[in-house]
Amino acid sequence: EAQVTQNPRYLITVTGKKLTVTCSQNMNHEYMSWYRQDPGLGLRQIYYSMNVEVTDKGDVPEGYKVSRKEKRNFPLILESPSPNQTSLYFCASSITPGSYEQYFGPGTRLTVT
Amino acid sequence: GQQLNQSPQSMFIQEGEDVSMNCTSSSIFNTWLWYKQDPGEGPVLLIALYKAGELTSNGRLTAQFGITRKDSFLNISASIPSDVGIYFCAGGPFSGSARQLTFGSGTQLTVLP
Repeated sequence: EAQVTQNPRYLITVTGKKLTVTCSQNMNHEYMSWYRQDPGLGLRQIYYSMNVEVTDKGDVPEGYKVSRKEKRNFPLILESPSPNQTSLYFCASSITPGSYEQYFGPGTRLTVT
Repeated sequence: GQQLNQSPQSMFIQEGEDVSMNCTSSSIFNTWLWYKQDPGEGPVLLIALYKAGELTSNGRLTAQFGITRKDSFLNISASIPSDVGIYFCAGGPFSGSARQLTFGSGTQLTVLP
């Protein structure tokens, strides 16, 4: 089944404790991205990747890192999480960077205390 | 940056009723997309529109790309309980990259039996 998977689905952590949220897609998509969703603000892009080893900042990159060592994986790293990073996170992929039609993962709900 | 105004923010309707929601922008878009997010899941693409004036259907859903290129509408006919969720619009500019999608803040739909 074609899908985007994220792990974990739920995470509660404390300020400053490094964490990684994994994202994997099995559709051989070139383009992958991370969004955060906050009430009343819609989806805001954190980072995106046009292809392996090609990543760039989105609209709200502060406090986040990403890597794209393999085509299928695009982990999101929070080196020192803070409470304002409490949010619902979505990974998405599309077949090429030029395609608007993205497939989203199921989401990761992160709480930072 | 570009902003999308999506309305209404929430709707409570009776099963069987028709639903209308819309998105407006201060900028011209080349593409309009409509997504649905079920509770606890990631957004799923419902309809993609690529041409001003285009009217596209997907089952009981119909979406239109406004002539001015600054708005789009989504209609759901004969609503059923499984229509419950958050509906998002997204607009893409002429340059054609998923990186440049702008998302609306969503319409929360509740269908009452």
